[in-house]
Amino acid sequence: DTAVSQTPKYLVTQMGNDKSIKCEQNLGHDTMYWYKQDSKKFLKIMFSYNNKELIINETVPNRFSPKSPDKAHLNLHINSLELGDSAVYFCASSQVVAAAYEQYFGPGTRLTVT
Amino acid sequence: GENVEQHPSTLSVQEGDSAVIKCTYSDSASNYFPWYKQELGKGPQLIIDIRSNVGEKKDQRIAVTLNKTAKHFSLHITETQPEDSAVYFCAASIYSGGYNKLIFGAGTRLAVHP
Repeated sequence: DTAVSQTPKYLVTQMGNDKSIKCEQNLGHDTMYWYKQDSKKFLKIMFSYNNKELIINETVPNRFSPKSPDKAHLNLHINSLELGDSAVYFCASSQVVAAAYEQYFGPGTRLTVT
Repeated sequence: GENVEQHPSTLSVQEGDSAVIKCTYSDSASNYFPWYKQELGKGPQLIIDIRSNVGEKKDQRIAVTLNKTAKHFSLHITETQPEDSAVYFCAASIYSGGYNKLIFGAGTRLAVHP
């Protein structure tokens, strides 16, 4: 009965590689998000999609490319990984578009770039 | 700019005592203020939220108060238990580009000692 799930939970890779993180929600929500949590636990929004359409795109390097094949899935692809990309990445979803209300987070993907 | 300040960064209490965490925000147009609890190795969990048309909201041992004039809001946990130990984040909604997004505080690490 997982509401928001992410795979993988851990990802260890070398600089320069390309990797993807997948997210799925079974809450029937229309809006999904990607957040980055750094080593100091600071949580910052990266992207938001509403029903497969990109609605929020923060100042994120264009090496990060989100893709939403349908409203229940939001993936994050990262090209040419750098040491500074090491963080925990959280996917979240909410029902009400434009309001940011009641966001439910997944368990996170810990990315380590060596 | 967009900013949410959260205090204290760490809080240590004895079981049964109350805990209070305070946040201030900068955007007077913010109208949604959620609180999240993050346990070790897990994603943030929404525990309570308040909207700007309400001054206080309670849910069992947890309450949130909002002072829109002063632009601050607080989380109150009464009768704390060891399982309340976690990192707590406040957030405020910011309107940008036709949509709202959440700006998070830096977090408060709460330790409840038996």
